[in-house]
Amino acid sequence: DIQLTQSPSFLSASVGDRVTITCRASQGISNYLAWYQQKPGKAPNLLIYVASTLQSGVPSRFSGSGSGTEFTLTISGLQPEDFATYYCQQLNIYPLTFGGGTKVEIK
Amino acid sequence: QVQLQQWGAGLLKPSETLSLTCAVYGGSFSNYYWTWIRQPPGKGLEWIGEINHSGGTNYNPSLKSRVTISVDTSKNQFSLNLSSMTAADTAVYYCARGNSGTYRFFDLWGQGTLVPVSS
Repeated sequence: DIQLTQSPSFLSASVGDRVTITCRASQGISNYLAWYQQKPGKAPNLLIYVASTLQSGVPSRFSGSGSGTEFTLTISGLQPEDFATYYCQQLNIYPLTFGGGTKVEIK
Repeated sequence: QVQLQQWGAGLLKPSETLSLTCAVYGGSFSNYYWTWIRQPPGKGLEWIGEINHSGGTNYNPSLKSRVTISVDTSKNQFSLNLSSMTAADTAVYYCARGNSGTYRFFDLWGQGTLVPVSS
């Protein structure tokens, strides 16, 4: 199975900060990676797919980059509604797998 | 607006079988992979398996011996059966819509069903 390791697992940030989350894959997955945001008690919400394509309706302060084994999710100008847990997911090698999550909390 | 609505039994006892159903409202049932994903309390996400409208399936090998995903195209519904449940299967179970093609992401999710397993 492809292992996805997210770092950090927890981060504390302030409104307006630029935040970067990293996802490392145990083997190369080209650009086949997605990012999700999950708030407590809610289903995950797709933010980005194939590493850098923004899902319709997602604010442009979210961006993704990377290929191969290292990927990043960047939030440029953290907003109050962005405090949540973020997960990466690899898209094309079965079984499909997710990272362990990064919880973004208010400093 | 496309929506996924899921339902099924809540509290289960060890060795019982989980049965959940997810209905697709307001959109196409073809051209997607219909998926089940679970999340133990306070933990991350685990892909269980998927089915397309023709009945083609893919399962997570870690669960394959206990999982059956089926589809009813006449009702735009798909279902999950997971047998021999144990406490380790306690989780929120989500249905989700996966895009077709060579890669799979999930752009639409059900509301989730918490399934505790306890004697």
